[in-house]
Parts: sequence; C-alpha cells; structure tokens
Amino acid sequence: NAGVTQTPKFQVLKTGQSMTLQCAQDMNHEYMSWYRQDPGMGLRLIHYSVGAGITDQGEVPNGYNVSRSTTEDFPLRLLLAAPSQTSVYFCASSYGQGSYNEQFFGPGTRLTVL
Amino acid sequence: AQSVTQLDSHVSVSEGTPVLLRCNYSSSYSPSLFWYVQHPNKGLQLLLKYTSAATLVKGINGFEAEFKKSETSFHLTKPSAHMSDAAEYFCVNRMDSNYQLIWGAGTKLIIKP
Repeated sequence: NAGVTQTPKFQVLKTGQSMTLQCAQDMNHEYMSWYRQDPGMGLRLIHYSVGAGITDQGEVPNGYNVSRSTTEDFPLRLLLAAPSQTSVYFCASSYGQGSYNEQFFGPGTRLTVL
Repeated sequence: AQSVTQLDSHVSVSEGTPVLLRCNYSSSYSPSLFWYVQHPNKGLQLLLKYTSAATLVKGINGFEAEFKKSETSFHLTKPSAHMSDAAEYFCVNRMDSNYQLIWGAGTKLIIKP
C-alpha cells in the first residue's frame, strides 16, 4: 500500500494564481481531511469529507475548495492564491466517518505564495 | 468549547533521562485525546490514543500518557530519552463534532548528547 500520497511536494505561486493540491489514499478510508501547518500554531483543519460526495468546512476554509468524487481522491483547490496561504499542507485519512480513529498523513506540500 | 494547551514550546533533556511533555485540555464531555509525533521534514505519526478504556495509555517507542480527569491533563512521558526521539510532539483533542480535531501548538523535544 502506498498509504496517503500528495503532489506536488513543493510549489511556488504568484498572488492571484490558482492551483490544485492532489491527495490520494489506497486504504479505502471514508474520512479524509486537509490541514495547514504554520509555525507555532499546530495543525488547523481546512476541509474534511466523511465519504464520496460529502464535504464540509473546518476551522479555516476561506480561500479553499474541495470535492470528493471518489473514495480515493480528495483534491484541495486554491482559487486566488494569497501570501497568507503560504504554509505546509497535509492531507490525512482514517477508517470510519469520525475523527476518533488514527489518522494517516501524507508527506505534505510546502506552498509559497509570492 | 474544547481546547488543547501544550504548556511548553520547547523541552530539552539529556539522552538517557526522563521525558515529560505537558498537555492540558478542556472538554465539555469525555474527550478523545491523542499524541502525534512529527520528525524533521517528515509526516505525522500517531504515538498513542486515549478513548476511556484505561487511564494509562502505552504507545510506540516506549512513550506513555496518563489521563487525569481531575487535573484535565494528558501528559506524555518516556523513562529514558533517545537521540531518535528528537521531534515535535502534538497533543490533540476531539471537538464537539465527531468529525473535527483540535491540535495543540506543539512541543519541540531536543535531546542533548
């Protein structure tokens, strides 16, 4: 099993550009989520999904869109990139529909917005 | 409202000495608490999880944590630090909803030779 994979590993954008961060898992997990990690702040939840076709907002959803057309994939779209979105982004998945099970994390995407 | 406070941003110990990383939580109901570890330039990995089955929880790599309801604490300990334990550690609590977690700000563990 590859586990949770994320692409790209690094990305530099200019303000106003858009892009999609890819996330895929091969463990047939129902729950998937996107976090951003900023220094001194821990991880903050952006969006999550409890199954294909179902998504919901987390703590910091503004400026991001998600969709879940399959169990395996959960892409995160930045619509109009801003310097405040410079961060490290982690995708995670877990068995079941709740957040009470172990989450498996991808390696992260380091995004810089100039 | 649920919250998680990690009381130290950095902890420095000598190799072979005990480790204590402190975490306090607030919760309006029985919490689900986790400790995750992040090694430099790597992803996050679950160390251990509390879900009310036992107050002393054993995790991987010799770590354990004790849930103390009266003190609203879930401190992480290890009897003897190893150089490979140098990493950042996060205490995590489940929020009101079953679908969201709240993360502490993290504690960086430094191991001196």
